[in-house]
Amino acid sequence: KAGVTQTPRYLIKTRGQQVTLSCSPISGHRSVSWYQQTPGQGLQFLFEYFSETQRNKGNFPGRFSGRQFSNSRSEMNVSTLELGDSALYLCASSNNGDTEAFFGQGTRLTVV
Amino acid sequence: GENVEQHPSTLSVQEGDSAVIKCTYSDSASNYFPWYKQELGKRPQLIIDIRSNVGEKKDQRIAVTLNKTAKHFSLHITETQPEDSAVYFCAASRSFQKLVFGTGTRLLVSP
Repeated sequence: KAGVTQTPRYLIKTRGQQVTLSCSPISGHRSVSWYQQTPGQGLQFLFEYFSETQRNKGNFPGRFSGRQFSNSRSEMNVSTLELGDSALYLCASSNNGDTEAFFGQGTRLTVV
Repeated sequence: GENVEQHPSTLSVQEGDSAVIKCTYSDSASNYFPWYKQELGKRPQLIIDIRSNVGEKKDQRIAVTLNKTAKHFSLHITETQPEDSAVYFCAASRSFQKLVFGTGTRLLVSP
């Protein structure tokens, strides 16, 4: 069974630009959560999508948004990038049942 | 808001020693407490978890204890090996999909 796949693995963007990251969950998993990992703030929850609907949201500004497609693949978008958005963005999928969340390898975003 | 404190931030032990990492959470409704191991450049991987109806869980050299009254849980690694070197994160949650993480503990096991 394939694991959680995130693309791209690395991105370099300029301040003010926008970026879209993709996450393909494990087959059969309908919940996708996104996290931001930075050295200073650690792992912080961004939002969770289930059945194409945002079910949970963390404390991030509106520049951070996401969506989920009917095949459970999810994308997150960050608009008007700031230097502080440089981070490893991780997604995790679960089957919404009583089971653990599995993480992808992450997308390393660098804003210059 | 929900918060998880984790200590220590760095832990150095000799191979064969035990290591203990402690976490405290603020949300009394939390009922799921996973521990993740993250090696350099790799994804976090679940190593053990505990639900609120259990006080202790063990899996070979790894054990986790939970004290719901004190809102405190701990990871215990016995007979540490160099391959245990990594960053360990605790988390507390009401659901599997929205985890509140601690700040991480860098464990270094020296041969």
